[in-house]
Formats: sequence, C-alpha cells, structure tokens
Amino acid sequence: SYELTQSPSVSVSPGQTANINCSGDKLGDKYVCWYQQKPGQSPVVVIYQDRKRPSGIPERFSGSNSGNTATLTISATQALDEADYYCQAWDISTVIFGGGTKLTVL
Amino acid sequence: QVQLVESGGGVVQPGRSLRLSCAASGFTFSDYAVHWVRQAPGKGLEWVSVISYDGSHKLYTDSVRGRFTVSRDNSENTLHLQMNSLRPEDTAVYYCAKDLRGVAVAASYIDYWGQGTLVAVSS
Repeated sequence: SYELTQSPSVSVSPGQTANINCSGDKLGDKYVCWYQQKPGQSPVVVIYQDRKRPSGIPERFSGSNSGNTATLTISATQALDEADYYCQAWDISTVIFGGGTKLTVL
Repeated sequence: QVQLVESGGGVVQPGRSLRLSCAASGFTFSDYAVHWVRQAPGKGLEWVSVISYDGSHKLYTDSVRGRFTVSRDNSENTLHLQMNSLRPEDTAVYYCAKDLRGVAVAASYIDYWGQGTLVAVSS
C-alpha cells in the first residue's frame, strides 16, 4: 500500500524558515494537501493542490511538490505556527495521510 | 457558519457494534461529499471513509472495509458510520469532515472538520 513519510519533528527559531517534507513514490505525480493541527483542535487545511492557499491562510505558508518529495514551507515562522502538520494525497481510491511532523518554534 | 457535530461515541467491547452520527448545518449538505477521519490517542490522522454528495459513491480504507458502512440522510442533513466487529485498534477520535466538492477527488480537499467523538474499544 502507498505510504507518505514525514520526519517526526522539526524545530525552527522565530522569524526563520521552516521546511517540512513529505515523501512518497512518485509523489510529484499526485496532488498534495497540508493540514495544520494544534493541540486539542481539529485540523485546518493550509495548502491544497501542492501550492495553493485557501482564503484566510497567511502568505507565509507555501508548498511545492516534485519527484518523490512535497515540501511545506513556512516563512518568518511565528510562535502560533507551532503545531502538527500532516501531508495528504490520494492513491487510487484511498486517501493517505503522512504520519505527521511536530513543528516546534523555539 | 459551517458546523459538523459528531455523536455516538463511547466505550464498547471488542466484537460489538457502534453507530456514529454527524449533524451538519450552515451549508447545503446534499451538495458535498463527507469523510470520516480518525485519530488514535497521541497518534496521527487516518482516513476511514468518504461518501459522495448523493450517497452513490463510497470508499473505505482497507482496515475497515467489510466492517464499517458509511451512509447519509440528506433530508436530515446527517452522516452515519455503522461500525461492526470493532477491534481495540479502532480506538480513536472520529472526525466528520466536509469535502470541498460533491465527489471527493485528488484535486479536492477537506475544508471543514467537526470536533470529533471518541470511540474506545476495550474489554
């Protein structure tokens, strides 16, 4: 079965750029979404179709997808960006989530 | 505003059944596909199932296919998940989640989530 692999954790200093990766076989051929989940809250989509931002999502969130890796980039990271981030794609008729990456802003 | 309110969770013994419901409001429920996504305590998100806007198209993850059944009542703006032969590994918070489109496809995404209902399978 298809798998999406994420690093368990990423740390970044406030104001710096955070890159969160998601890898999968020929992932660049698929659309990738990214969801942000803060403790005790439901997820929120921050990127869809690899690089598009839903309304209300700050411009500092961006995405890319090529080859076997999709990347969520958070520029000028703020303390409020600290959360778990999940990549998501479809494989045939199944929705797949990555294992999640905990972003720590310190 | 869009609201999705799950109910029906609780503690159940292995092998028993449970039926979850999701009451939708704030949008035209019959126009959109809806997913069930679960999250085991302290773990990541796991997609469970999706049903198309009219109920004609249903998809399931391998681990629940044949045990879980998704359905919807568009006249009542309600989504259901019938869960049979429950296993300890089904223990999770179950989220009801609205898709952007009427039929969930790769180009779409989940734009609204409920707060979830906890299902605990234990003897």
